[in-house]
Amino acid sequence: ETGVTQTPRHLVMGMTNKKSLKCEQHLGHNAMYWYKQSAKKPLELMFVYNFKEQTENNSVPSRFSPECPNSSHLFLHLHTLQPEDSALYLCASSQEEGSNQPQHFGDGTRLSIL
Amino acid sequence: AQSVAQPEDQVNVAEGNPLTVKCTYSVSGNPYLFWYVQYPNRGLQFLLKYITGDNLVKGSYGFEAEFNKSQTSFHLKKPSALVSDSALYFCAVRDYGDKIIFGKGTRLHILP
Repeated sequence: ETGVTQTPRHLVMGMTNKKSLKCEQHLGHNAMYWYKQSAKKPLELMFVYNFKEQTENNSVPSRFSPECPNSSHLFLHLHTLQPEDSALYLCASSQEEGSNQPQHFGDGTRLSIL
Repeated sequence: AQSVAQPEDQVNVAEGNPLTVKCTYSVSGNPYLFWYVQYPNRGLQFLLKYITGDNLVKGSYGFEAEFNKSQTSFHLKKPSALVSDSALYFCAVRDYGDKIIFGKGTRLHILP
């Protein structure tokens, strides 16, 4: 039990579909993060929310749309994705952005774009 | 600008032997340094961190890391490797007030 739960664990979708990834943390943290992990690239930070406010958008294409309704939940809305978007999407949380405390990761959603 | 490097894509070690996974970093101020491990089909798990104080940091599963300011390194070590240590290891660094960045990862293979 990592304290950070991601659903679904696996997702296959066509390029015209719309889907959402969900992340939930039960650690009382105030910062949440989306990362993209693909086979040929280092871990890429996508978005950061601190106390429900977006503080980082790392030049992510608009076909990825994050939502953070409260400090415990984070969503990543997907639409008209491309084959190169196939990857493992990891959610993480920490006490707050910029603290010296480590991030806690979920087990990820493995996304495949057909 | 801050950066982190893991010079080895893969490290092979015989079971029972000591292991080292290398990490070097570059920051303008005082670094916060972290090691994470990733097992297949899992997220990253925190192993240990250096913030300040003793240069030798002990973490989970018998791992330790030594902060070396003059060499700007933070190598991960374990005295006796287990087959179950086989995984992908990430070093991460954060300069004060900046975002965390991760190295590209080192795959550790422990040979029975």
